[in-house]
Amino acid sequence: SQQGEEDPQALSIQEGENATMNCSYKTSINNLQWYRQNSGRGLVHLILIRSNEREKHSGRLRVTLDTSKKSSSLLITASRAADTASYFCATGNTGGFKTIFGAGTRLFVKA
Amino acid sequence: DAGVIQSPRHEVTEMGQEVTLRCKPISGHNSLFWYRQTMMRGLELLIYFNNNVPIDDSGMPEDRFSAKMPNASFSTLKIQPSEPRDSAVYFCASSRTGEVNEQYFGPGTRLTVT
Repeated sequence: SQQGEEDPQALSIQEGENATMNCSYKTSINNLQWYRQNSGRGLVHLILIRSNEREKHSGRLRVTLDTSKKSSSLLITASRAADTASYFCATGNTGGFKTIFGAGTRLFVKA
Repeated sequence: DAGVIQSPRHEVTEMGQEVTLRCKPISGHNSLFWYRQTMMRGLELLIYFNNNVPIDDSGMPEDRFSAKMPNASFSTLKIQPSEPRDSAVYFCASSRTGEVNEQYFGPGTRLTVT
């Protein structure tokens, strides 16, 4: 079964707007990661946040993590048409090698 | 660095045939993962290796699926016999073992079984 569940399943916004995607998970984690997948391509790692961190930034990306609620959010600011892709959250467990991926959010940014 | 290399990129085969997918992980990475992605089931972890040893194959759907990693630079995923429901995109990913398990994905193999 999948650990992470993204919300919403699909999101359509205008270029320049911000996009927010949420992820919930079920068990204790060591870290949480966000990946992007462009159509027909492999997943690309975007950002990792550790369980002892609450917020992390990378360029136009902002990730938050609330371990008490077992949830995370990914904010993309000033979106661009090139941000159109599917976004997945993935959780890593302490001492393990495994990363469990959610079902993804499909983001469509209209130019 | 060339990244994770997968071959073939596309495979079309008839039901009952054997299919072998290949993966070369990034040099220095000692964890390797095989995933399957479909519209219906999303991204599923099939098996992962650490230091060439299979650690967890609980995601392998049936005995028709098998995976090997004979050395640190090569892995195969074999389906024998193939069935139409095996049609999917198969991804290989690699990572360094440790606390930070960021994965690097290959471009995938799109398998169509007719």
